[in-house]
Amino acid sequence: SSELTQDPAVSVALGQTVRITCQGDSLRSYYASWYQQKPGQAPVLVIYGKNNRPSGIPDRFSGSSSGNTASLTITGAQAEDEADYYCNSRDSSGNHLQVFGGGTKLTVL
Amino acid sequence: QVQLQESGPGLVKPSQTLSLTCTVSGGSISSGGYYWSWIRQHPGKGLEWIGYIYYSGSTYYNPSLKSRVTISVDTSKNQFSLKLSSVTAADTAVYYCARGSVVVTAIYYFDYWGQGTLVTVSS
Repeated sequence: SSELTQDPAVSVALGQTVRITCQGDSLRSYYASWYQQKPGQAPVLVIYGKNNRPSGIPDRFSGSSSGNTASLTITGAQAEDEADYYCNSRDSSGNHLQVFGGGTKLTVL
Repeated sequence: QVQLQESGPGLVKPSQTLSLTCTVSGGSISSGGYYWSWIRQHPGKGLEWIGYIYYSGSTYYNPSLKSRVTISVDTSKNQFSLKLSSVTAADTAVYYCARGSVVVTAIYYFDYWGQGTLVTVSS
């Protein structure tokens, strides 16, 4: 099955822009979705498809994709954005499976 | 607003079967286009997809768990369930139910999640 690789940790200064990346062969065929998870809480969908935000997600969150890499960008990071971020896509093996990245812990300095 | 809520025992003995139910409110589980899913998270670790059941009844499982997992749906109760057999301490995790959506064939995402339930495997 496919794997999705994320950097374990990323930091950003308050108000600055940060990009969190996700790499995997499945991303050549399927879009990534991105989830924010704060301690003790369930994951929340923040980006899906080419660059779609569910209702209630601030527009400072955006997504992009190129080749085997998907990116989540936070423009003007806020203190409340400090969280774990996970990417997800359908597996490219043809078996209709799902795979998650290992997660990136974002620290807002 | 769709809401999902997990329920089931928080403690399961080794070698027994873990059974959880997810109750869906705010929408019908038999409406088309959704994948009713189970996802787990080991303590301090990342998310692991367990499997899902399509509204048609088709099931898809993580190959690493496939031999022990069964996901089923009860449309009369608007619920779907997870059974994981022969559990060990390695199955201790927070278990989430979630609704999976698909747009065309290239866009999949989990848009609604339950709050999660911790299941501990211990004697």
